[in-house]
Amino acid sequence: QLQESGPGLVKPSQTLSLTCTVSGGPITTAGSYWTWVRQHPGKGLEWIGHIYNNGRTYFNPSLKSRVSISVDTSKNQFSLELTSVTAADTAVYFCARSYSYFLDFWGQGNVVTVSS
Amino acid sequence: DIRMTQSPSSLSASVGDRVTITCRASQSIDNYVVWYQQKPGKAPNLLITGANSLQSGVPARFSGSVSGTDFTLTISSLQPEDFAVYYCQQSYNTPLTFGGGTTVETK
Repeated sequence: QLQESGPGLVKPSQTLSLTCTVSGGPITTAGSYWTWVRQHPGKGLEWIGHIYNNGRTYFNPSLKSRVSISVDTSKNQFSLELTSVTAADTAVYFCARSYSYFLDFWGQGNVVTVSS
Repeated sequence: DIRMTQSPSSLSASVGDRVTITCRASQSIDNYVVWYQQKPGKAPNLLITGANSLQSGVPARFSGSVSGTDFTLTISSLQPEDFAVYYCQQSYNTPLTFGGGTTVETK
């Protein structure tokens, strides 16, 4: 199971920070990429990026300059930071597990609104 | 980036109908396509991997196929619980990319 946590409201120009807690197995499971996906209101899915348990990260080029993903194996958590947010970053943010580049386990989603 | 062009964007169907949704990849990706179903307010649910391998627990009325760079999801006999949005995704390389989605709504 995966569960996102974090604020639902972020001010423009600030940093969006979300954490995903993984339960039911270690985050160090081989072959697992820990992933963030977002969905703008009424729109499709956008892959943000993922992290392997060795800390290696891969990001969507469209967001690469503003995104970081980290993992805390002691807490079985991974986190997303998105800097300099604008209204265009308003979305539902999902954490998920990627295995062989398909997403088999998802969190329920965290609605994030960017507004002053 | 690999572009996944999904069609139609929406369709109207009745219970019992056969439904077909297509995704075309912008380049050769072998059979590296997966399909998801998403219901309102929920996370996507993985249906099919490797173009045609049904995930455990997914009803057999769902199937996938591939012809070149064209990938198809078929629901052989639509059931009431199948009204949802369906997405394809290429699992060939990063950045992972999704089709635009197909809304299956009641006629």
